[in-house]
Amino acid sequence: KAGVTQTPRYLIKTRGQQVTLSCSPISGHRSVSWYQQTPGQGLQFLFEYFSETQRNKGNFPGRFSGRQFSNSRSEMNVSTLELGDSALYLCASKGRETNTGELFFGEGSRLTVL
Amino acid sequence: KNQVEQSPQSLIILEGKNCTLQCNYTVSPFSNLRWYKQDTGRGPVSLTIMTFSENTKSNGRYTATLDADTKQSSLHITASQLSDSASYICVVISQTGGFKTIFGAGTRLFVKA
Repeated sequence: KAGVTQTPRYLIKTRGQQVTLSCSPISGHRSVSWYQQTPGQGLQFLFEYFSETQRNKGNFPGRFSGRQFSNSRSEMNVSTLELGDSALYLCASKGRETNTGELFFGEGSRLTVL
Repeated sequence: KNQVEQSPQSLIILEGKNCTLQCNYTVSPFSNLRWYKQDTGRGPVSLTIMTFSENTKSNGRYTATLDADTKQSSLHITASQLSDSASYICVVISQTGGFKTIFGAGTRLFVKA
């Protein structure tokens, strides 16, 4: 079955703009989580959604928000972009069938803020 | 506090050589441990999963070990190839009701010709 799909793969924005990233999980997966990864840094947890409800949230400012739709697709939004928001944003989906909490990652969306 | 620490932070080896990456964790309760490989600019891909009762698991040239008593895991790469150049992330899963995922910062491996 198809993997996790993230769009767009690359984008360039300027400071003050806002951006929306999209993630389509593996078919049947209802949990979607988002992560920020900056050069040399580990994965920083942003938030997790399950059945359209935010289940967990990381330690990021309110400029970072997300949502999940009834088909489990998820979007994250970053408003008033700052230079420090330049990063690889990864989405991961999780299904119940593995019973181990395995995360399946997308290829990421590379955001550059100028 | 649940933590996953990896060492070394980065490593350079010659093609064909072996190497071992380390992961120490203080996660409780422990459910399972995974090693992920992340190529530059791509998403992480799972290499192995270790549960509490497993000591060793292999996936081709990758062999993971787990010592649940000392809370240590290692990833051994045999006969390294240029394509092994990547970040290797140790991830520990804790399960209390739902799953909680704790990430290590990763080890950056460079394989040189």
